[in-house]
Amino acid sequence: GQNIDQPTEMTATEGAIVQINCTYQTSGFNGLFWYQQHAGEAPTFLSYNVLDGLEEKGRFSSFLSRSKGYSYLLLKELQMKDSASYLCAVTAAGNKLTFGGGTRVLVKP
Amino acid sequence: DADVTQTPRNRITKTGKRIMLECSQTKGHDRMYWYRQDPGLGLRLIYYSFDVKDINKGEISDGYSVSRQAQAKFSLSLESAIPNQTALYFCATSGGGQTYEQYFGPGTRLTVT
Repeated sequence: GQNIDQPTEMTATEGAIVQINCTYQTSGFNGLFWYQQHAGEAPTFLSYNVLDGLEEKGRFSSFLSRSKGYSYLLLKELQMKDSASYLCAVTAAGNKLTFGGGTRVLVKP
Repeated sequence: DADVTQTPRNRITKTGKRIMLECSQTKGHDRMYWYRQDPGLGLRLIYYSFDVKDINKGEISDGYSVSRQAQAKFSLSLESAIPNQTALYFCATSGGGQTYEQYFGPGTRLTVT
């Protein structure tokens, strides 16, 4: 089976940096996705990591360590519109995604 | 126009009623999925389909059934709705292979009273 843990909620200030951690225990790991979900809306794709290391995409970066079963999503230069839930999801055979419970990020002025 | 559409967007129904949620996609993807989302539990996979003739159960398929009418259409049915099926339901699609992201529909908010 799969087990994915991420913090429930985080608060940060506009302009700051926030790091959302995700740990996983899984069989047949292929890769790890991060999705953003605003309240009441559909999740939207942010990043995908399959190899160890850091993937940078604008203000958002995602890191993966396969040996440690660990990933993080780094959000820089926080903006109010970044207030959302961030979902960590692990993919195994057949592109089935298993999601963590999500981390709600609240950005304050 | 949206690539993945779901109907209805909101539905209130009574215990014991049969409900069908519909999903259509214009992305030309073979793979389609149904998830439910409950507060604090993230998204959980109900059923998935890799092509029209392939249907698979996810982690929480009890009480649900699906139909893949065409490559572009994947319906989820609750044969006899119960209150703990009150949730936000998402349909998603993806291309083949492990690295393909999933594209989500806007969701259906279902309330069973």
